[in-house]
Amino acid sequence: NAGVTQTPKFQVLKTGQSMTLQCAQDMNHNSMYWYRQDPGMGLRLIYYSASEGTTDKGEVPNGYNVSRLNKREFSLRLESAAPSQTSVYFCASSTQERENSPLHFGNGTRLTVT
Amino acid sequence: DAKTTQPPSMDCAEGRAANLPCNHSTISGNEYVYWYRQIHSQGPQYIIHGLKNNETNEMASLIITEDRKSSTLILPHATLRDTAVYYCIVRAWYNNNDMRFGAGTRLTVKP
Repeated sequence: NAGVTQTPKFQVLKTGQSMTLQCAQDMNHNSMYWYRQDPGMGLRLIYYSASEGTTDKGEVPNGYNVSRLNKREFSLRLESAAPSQTSVYFCASSTQERENSPLHFGNGTRLTVT
Repeated sequence: DAKTTQPPSMDCAEGRAANLPCNHSTISGNEYVYWYRQIHSQGPQYIIHGLKNNETNEMASLIITEDRKSSTLILPHATLRDTAVYYCIVRAWYNNNDMRFGAGTRLTVKP
């Protein structure tokens, strides 16, 4: 099992460019999440998907869109990147079917917007 | 609003127990206490969780006070590889959007 896989690992964008961050999990989890982490801070939830076909906003959704392509994949899109979106982006998944359902995280995408 | 309060940093000697405190005085009856850690800039790693009883697994022990307003994560024999940022989080297990990560505690294990 690879767990949660994120691509790319690193990305540099110019202001105004667009890109999609990819995330896939092979644990048959229902729920998937996108977080961002700024230097010296904790993670903040951008969007989540409780199940295939549903998405909801988290704490900091502005400037982002998401797609739950199927049960395995959950992508995050930046339509017009801004320097304020320079951050490390983490994808996570969980079963969310019982109390013993911790989040499993990928190793992140490090995005720099110049 | 932060639901938990943790010290920003702690040191521990290698081989000794590391005791990481967390205050969660506004915890609700259906909220669990979860602990995660983040090593370097990797994705956070789940450690342990509990509701009101003390819990132990292969990684750590979790002690929750009787009034549930605080808890302590115990790493019984800390190693250099336990150097990380430790996050204490409270949430109802069925709330998808309520995993709020604060700044955590940066634990440094020293030789």
